Amino acid sequence: GQSLEQPSEVTAVEGAIVQINCTYQTSGFYGLSWYQQHDGGAPTFLSYNGLDGLEETGRFSSFLSRSDSYGYLLLQELQMKDSASYFCAVRDRQAGTALIFGKGTTLSVSS
Amino acid sequence: DAGVIQSPRHEVTEMGQEVTLRCKPISGHNSLFWYRQTMMRGLELLIYFNNNVPIDDSGMPEDRFSAKMPNASFSTLKIQPSEPRDSAVYFCASGDPLVLRNEQFFGPGTRLTVL
Repeated sequence: GQSLEQPSEVTAVEGAIVQINCTYQTSGFYGLSWYQQHDGGAPTFLSYNGLDGLEETGRFSSFLSRSDSYGYLLLQELQMKDSASYFCAVRDRQAGTALIFGKGTTLSVSS
Repeated sequence: DAGVIQSPRHEVTEMGQEVTLRCKPISGHNSLFWYRQTMMRGLELLIYFNNNVPIDDSGMPEDRFSAKMPNASFSTLKIQPSEPRDSAVYFCASGDPLVLRNEQFFGPGTRLTVL
C-alpha cells in the first residue's frame, strides 16, 4: 500500500524560512504534490514534482528525490497568511489518477 | 468557471437518517473525487470516477456509503443510514488526468454532523 510521513506541526516567525519534509512509500510512483489548506477552507494546489529536482513558484519551492522517496516544501519570507496546513500527496500506479494525502503539517507563523 | 460546487455546505442530521451530498465538477474535467476529512484520519479518498465511471471505491468505508455520477456535471454521495462516526467534512474535487501535474480542484466541502 501507500504511506506518507510528514511532521504534524511546525512553528516559525515572520520572515523566516521553513522546510516541510515528506517521505513516501508507493508502487509505481508518478509524482509528488503539495496542497495548502487554511482553517475551515478547502485544500488548494501549490506545486507538483514529477522528476527529481527543485520547482520554484514565488516564495514557495518544492523538491523531489525519487531515489530517496523524499520531498520537501520550502516556504521563504514567511508571512502570517502562510499559517495553514500543508499536505504532501502522491499519485502512484495503485491510486491511478487519484491522490493519496499525508496527514498534513500545521504551520503556525508568529510575528 | 465557478469552480467545484458542493451542496449543502452544512448538514446536521440524526442517526439513522439518509444523507445525500451533491457535487458539480468544473466543466471539462474528466475526473471526480470524493474525500472525507477528520482530525483523526486526515484526508481520505473515498471513491473516484473517470469519465463518469467509478474506478476505485476501495476507500468507501461501508455498504452504507454509495456514490453515483449519472453525467459529467453531477455526482452524489449518499450515506444510509447515517451514524455519528460519519461526522466529517466531505470534499468533492475534480481534475483533468491528462494534465501532467494532475492538479485537483476542491469544492468548499460539506460539513456533516450526525447526532
